[in-house]
Amino acid sequence: SAVISQKPSRDICQRGTSLTIQCQVDSQVTMMFWYRQQPGQSLTLIATANQGSEATYESGFVIDKFPISRPNLTFSTLTVSNMSPEDSSIYLCSVRTSGRGNEQFFGPGTRLTVL
Amino acid sequence: AQSVSQHNHHVILSEAASLELGCNYSYGGTVNLFWYVQYPGQHLQLLLKYFSGDPLVKGIKGFEAEFIKSKFSFNLRKPSVQWSDTAEYFCAVKTDSWGKLQFGAGTQVVVTP
Repeated sequence: SAVISQKPSRDICQRGTSLTIQCQVDSQVTMMFWYRQQPGQSLTLIATANQGSEATYESGFVIDKFPISRPNLTFSTLTVSNMSPEDSSIYLCSVRTSGRGNEQFFGPGTRLTVL
Repeated sequence: AQSVSQHNHHVILSEAASLELGCNYSYGGTVNLFWYVQYPGQHLQLLLKYFSGDPLVKGIKGFEAEFIKSKFSFNLRKPSVQWSDTAEYFCAVKTDSWGKLQFGAGTQVVVTP
């Protein structure tokens, strides 16, 4: 299994500012993913972050708005830039482990409120 | 476009009742299927998964799901629910080798004592 921690767990931010969310995993993983869960909605994939290469973004998400870093196999950051109230969501980090079942684990999420 | 549909958004049950949550997906290739559960205030947790083989898969906490390829369905079942099964349940499909998951909208299940 993989244990994932995220910082901060929650934050309240002003419109126009940026917030960087950190994701730390207790083991080395190749694939890391960032999801968004807007209020009352399901999870939507923002991007896939591979170590050593640029993140791959899903339709509707762009690097300028959600820059991602992946400096090593246990850590990644997601920045929500120039925030607006529409960015209020829970942001989740997820990792896929290799081996048995290729199971995907989720972090506790970062609850972001933009005023 | 690929999609995952969960038929019920809210389900209210009494303890000991049987639960069945529907999930249909639209994707023509090989899929891996998952059910995740999110208990109030907790992380998403994997309930069960289907990759290949026996289409009836058993997961944790007495849950099971049946993959019916011809119906593009992966319905979740539990014969007798408990109050502690109150949670939100998400069906998800992995459609590529990287592991990206596409989620359904989720079903909020409330079990009353």
